[in-house]
Amino acid sequence: KAGVTQTPRYLIKTRGQQVTLSCSPISGHRSVSWYQQTPGQGLQFLFEYFSETQRNKGNFPGRFSGRQFSNSRSEMNVSTLELGDSALYLCASSLDTEAFFGQGTRLTVV
Amino acid sequence: GEDVEQSLFLSVREGDSSVINCTYTDSSSTYLYWYKQEPGAGLQLLTYIFSNMDMKQDQRLTVLLNKKDKHLSLRIADTQTGDSAIYFCAERLNDYKLSFGAGTTVTVRA
Repeated sequence: KAGVTQTPRYLIKTRGQQVTLSCSPISGHRSVSWYQQTPGQGLQFLFEYFSETQRNKGNFPGRFSGRQFSNSRSEMNVSTLELGDSALYLCASSLDTEAFFGQGTRLTVV
Repeated sequence: GEDVEQSLFLSVREGDSSVINCTYTDSSSTYLYWYKQEPGAGLQLLTYIFSNMDMKQDQRLTVLLNKKDKHLSLRIADTQTGDSAIYFCAERLNDYKLSFGAGTTVTVRA
């Protein structure tokens, strides 16, 4: 069975631009969560979607947003990029107790 | 509150057992997880334990949970060079939000 797929794997953007990252969960999983991983802050929760509704949100500014589609695929968007947004963005797919992560999207802001 | 703590480094000889420790603060945690991250990769779910259990064994992995002391450990038997990675402990607080520790870097030496 296919795992969690995140695209693209790598991105380089300029400060002030916006970016959209995509996550396709494991078939049948309706919950998708997003995490930001940086060397300084570690793994931090961004938000979680279930059946197209945001159920939880972490402590990130409004420049970070997301959505989930009827097929459970999710996108996250970061607007007005800052240098500090450079990170590995990880998506997790869950059915019940287990959360499975994708390979991540490495975003570099220059 | 949400606070998961782990020691940052562990060095172990090949063939020995590794024990990675973790403490958490939220007594309402329902599940506790161990993830492995290799360089350039996402998080691989190794195992998890329900908060009303005190031990779980899965092949070379043994998880011990002391709920009174809020202490979780992961023992890897017969540690191999392929076990060199960063190991994250995480607690599930509500729905699918996970709170992670900073990660323990395990180095296996010959």
